[in-house]
Amino acid sequence: GQQVMQIPQYQHVQEGEDFTTYCNSSTTLSNIQWYKQRPGGHPVFLIQLVKSGEVKKQKRLTFQFGEAKKNSSLHITATQTTDVGTYFCAGLDMDSNYQLIWGAGTKLIIKP
Amino acid sequence: EAQVTQNPRYLITVTGKKLTVTCSQNMNHEYMSWYRQDPGLGLRQIYYSMNVEVTDKGDVPEGYKVSRKEKRNFPLILESPSPNQTSLYFCATQTGMGPYEQYFGPGTRLTVT
Repeated sequence: GQQVMQIPQYQHVQEGEDFTTYCNSSTTLSNIQWYKQRPGGHPVFLIQLVKSGEVKKQKRLTFQFGEAKKNSSLHITATQTTDVGTYFCAGLDMDSNYQLIWGAGTKLIIKP
Repeated sequence: EAQVTQNPRYLITVTGKKLTVTCSQNMNHEYMSWYRQDPGLGLRQIYYSMNVEVTDKGDVPEGYKVSRKEKRNFPLILESPSPNQTSLYFCATQTGMGPYEQYFGPGTRLTVT
């Protein structure tokens, strides 16, 4: 079936270092969404990318959607403790009742 | 305030004792969904509903039932819970039109002993 692979599963960084998570889909996506889940919380929508090659920024976060609309990345510059949590990508499949296909998430851990 | 509510937030129960987790939304969204979240496995969809009286299986529907009798409510029913259903459960809603972002409830942590 359709899958979205997300790597890495965990990333440990020192505060101030950068963080990147990658998603790859087995099929072409209509769009891709990114969510953040703080520890003990629920997933919260961050952004949606729709166009091939699209790049969007939210302060220190940069989101990219690949030219083929099969891959995406989230890059955080100079991580802060408030960035801690799990980041999920979710691709929208218009051909399948608008179902979101979820990546397994990348957990960002700030080393003490 | 736009909200998705779930009850209960925490539940410890025993094998075989039927339970219902409620989900309610006030955003008039057509689409509602249930997920379970387990360490290392991300979010796995259990069931979803495109609208009233329309439900469909997700990726892991075994052992669960749902109903959608009215637009705002989408309860998750475990007829005979088993320990492998111990998990964190999220209800989510989504508009039927773009931009299709999902809004999640606060989660229900279920332990089946």
